[in-house]
Amino acid sequence: AQTVTQSQPEMSVQEAETVTLSCTYDTSESDYYLFWYKQPPSRQMILVIRQEAYKQQNATENRFSVNFQKAAKSFSLKISDSQLGDAAMYFCAYRSAGGGTSYGKLTFGQGTILTVHP
Amino acid sequence: DAGVIQSPRHEVTEMGQEVTLRCKPISGHNSLFWYRQTMMRGLELLIYFNNNVPIDDSGMPEDRFSAKMPNASFSTLKIQPSEPRDSAVYFCASSLVYLPREQYFGPGTRLTVT
Repeated sequence: AQTVTQSQPEMSVQEAETVTLSCTYDTSESDYYLFWYKQPPSRQMILVIRQEAYKQQNATENRFSVNFQKAAKSFSLKISDSQLGDAAMYFCAYRSAGGGTSYGKLTFGQGTILTVHP
Repeated sequence: DAGVIQSPRHEVTEMGQEVTLRCKPISGHNSLFWYRQTMMRGLELLIYFNNNVPIDDSGMPEDRFSAKMPNASFSTLKIQPSEPRDSAVYFCASSLVYLPREQYFGPGTRLTVT
């Protein structure tokens, strides 16, 4: 079974600065997807960014980018020019691209609480 | 464009009562997922459906939990009888079966069982 680990329960950053959230995962599969979701105090789970394992290029969405290291099974999220609205719980998630009963299932990490200081 | 809709947003009930949570997926999505979020266990997948058919219910904690998807636009998660340890936030998410298959979450239902 796949596991996802976020080793930083909490992180903080000054507004306009850059912060990196860590995520590692364990899998024996070669084809999969990785995601970062954001959960603000409203509880809504919001998709931030997606990375396909077969792509070597790191995904980028505006101020959010990832550092995907497939061999190391590492998938970190970098937030540049942090804003107060970035304050939230961030979850790393894994999804198999294969078939079987794991198809479509997301496995989540424990989450990292990000605080942004003005 | 409406997202995933869940109702109710908050539910407070007494132990032993039946609870029904409802979900309307995004139109056109054919996969639906039910998750539970607690402080102790984080986010757990309870069950998911593809094209209205349950694919994996191994995450359903016990027989008190049941889920149905009678059509492509509606699903329910029922707890009968409810217990205090069922208190959690329950999320419904939907996606396309085919690529890219990102899951989009509803706002969640906060359930409190006293």
